[in-house]
Amino acid sequence: NAGVMQNPRHLVRRRGQEARLRCSPMKGHSHVYWYRQLPEEGLKFMVYLQKENIIDESGMPKERFSAEFPKEGPSILRIQQVVRGDSAAYFCASSPFVFGQGGPGANVLTFGAGSRLTVL
Amino acid sequence: ELKVEQNPLFLSMQEGKNYTIYCNYSTTSDRLYWYRQDPGKSLESLFVLLSNGAVKQEGRLMASLDTKARLSTLHITAAVHDLSATYFCAVVSITNKLIFGTGTLLAVQP
Repeated sequence: NAGVMQNPRHLVRRRGQEARLRCSPMKGHSHVYWYRQLPEEGLKFMVYLQKENIIDESGMPKERFSAEFPKEGPSILRIQQVVRGDSAAYFCASSPFVFGQGGPGANVLTFGAGSRLTVL
Repeated sequence: ELKVEQNPLFLSMQEGKNYTIYCNYSTTSDRLYWYRQDPGKSLESLFVLLSNGAVKQEGRLMASLDTKARLSTLHITAAVHDLSATYFCAVVSITNKLIFGTGTLLAVQP
């Protein structure tokens, strides 16, 4: 089991460009969470998705950010017209169930290695 | 809104000493996690605490949870340099999101 795979690991963009970050959850996991970590800070929740559905996007900025988790393929976090303040590490996590509900397996949230975005 | 606070934010320790990191949270939750993060790396799960009074130990680290006080502690015994990292606690909200604390940067000096 390869774990949660994120790519690219490092991404450099100029202001105004688009950034696309990809996350392939662990095999058998259909629940994906995205978090953002600004330098010297903790992780902040952004969005929770299940296959083809956004369940909770309460942590997403209202503009320029979007996320999807299609029926086939990885989850994508898309940032349009990036600004310097978007520079951060973006972590994806996956779970086999709704996190926190159900049996012991529901308490597992496995994080990927992160994608580090630098905006010049 | 659930808020999670850790203290101290930075901890410089000598090898061999003991210390405790505190994690307070603002609303009721019965599930708390401790993670370790090395610079530029992802998060490594250390402990999952699922009930009031839960205590777990792994090596030189011991974590406990008091849901009534909304407090968890991470106790470090006889610190070694390899424990240098940032430690996060995280609490599950009523909407099943994991809310992270601010982190504690631990530096163990020889």
